[in-house]
Amino acid sequence: GQQVMQIPQYQHVQEGEDFTTYCNSSTTLSNIQWYKQRPGGHPVFLIQLVKSGEVKKQKRLTFQFGEAKKNSSLHITATQTTDVGTYFCAVRDDGADSWGKLQFGAGTQVVVTP
Amino acid sequence: KAGVTQTPRYLIKTRGQQVTLSCSPISGHRSVSWYQQTPGQGLQFLFEYFSETQRNKGNFPGRFSGRQFSNSRSEMNVSTLELGDSALYLCASSAQQGVGTEAFFGQGTRLTVV
Repeated sequence: GQQVMQIPQYQHVQEGEDFTTYCNSSTTLSNIQWYKQRPGGHPVFLIQLVKSGEVKKQKRLTFQFGEAKKNSSLHITATQTTDVGTYFCAVRDDGADSWGKLQFGAGTQVVVTP
Repeated sequence: KAGVTQTPRYLIKTRGQQVTLSCSPISGHRSVSWYQQTPGQGLQFLFEYFSETQRNKGNFPGRFSGRQFSNSRSEMNVSTLELGDSALYLCASSAQQGVGTEAFFGQGTRLTVV
C-alpha cells in the first residue's frame, strides 16, 4: 500500500504566524487527501489532490501536491486559534476494489498561542 | 442530510468481554470503513465493507470483526477485549467509487477497557 510520513509531529504557533506541515512518500502517490481533527472531535475532510503540481487554496490554507507526486504540503497563513487541531494527510488505495481503504499519516498536532 | 452516526458514544468494558459498535452511514453511501485511533498508533485502518462484503482488512487480529447489512449500516465486534483495545473507534462512509473520494467520519465510539 501507499504509505506516508508526516512532519512535524507537533507544531506550536504564535497567533498570526504562518506554518507548514509536510507529507512525504517514498513512492509515487495517486492521490492525497487532507483532514482536520479538532480536539475531542472526528476527522473532517479538507481537500483532495490528484494532479502533479496541483495547488489548491481555501482561504488561509494552501495545499500543494509535488511535481513527482511523492509529497504534499499544507501551509496556513496568519494562524488563528480556530486552526487548533491535528492535521492528517491520507492516501486512498487506488485498486479497483481497495479504494475504500485510507492510509493516514501520523498527523501534525497544532497548538496556537494567542 | 444526516451525517454518519455511531453508537454508543462511550463504552467501558472489562478485559475478556466482547463489544459491538454500530455505524449508520450517510444515506446512499455503500462503502463503510472502520478505523482505530490511539495516541501511540494514530489512525489505523481496520476494515472496509461495500455492499455487505468485506473488501479490505487491516493488520488486526481476528478478534476484530465486522459486518454490513443490506441498508449499509455496519457493526464491528471486538471479542476477548484487551487493555490495548482502548481507543476511539471511527467509522467513515464514502459515496463514489475511486480515488479522491471524500470520507465522512462519525463522531466515534470511545472504548475504555479496564
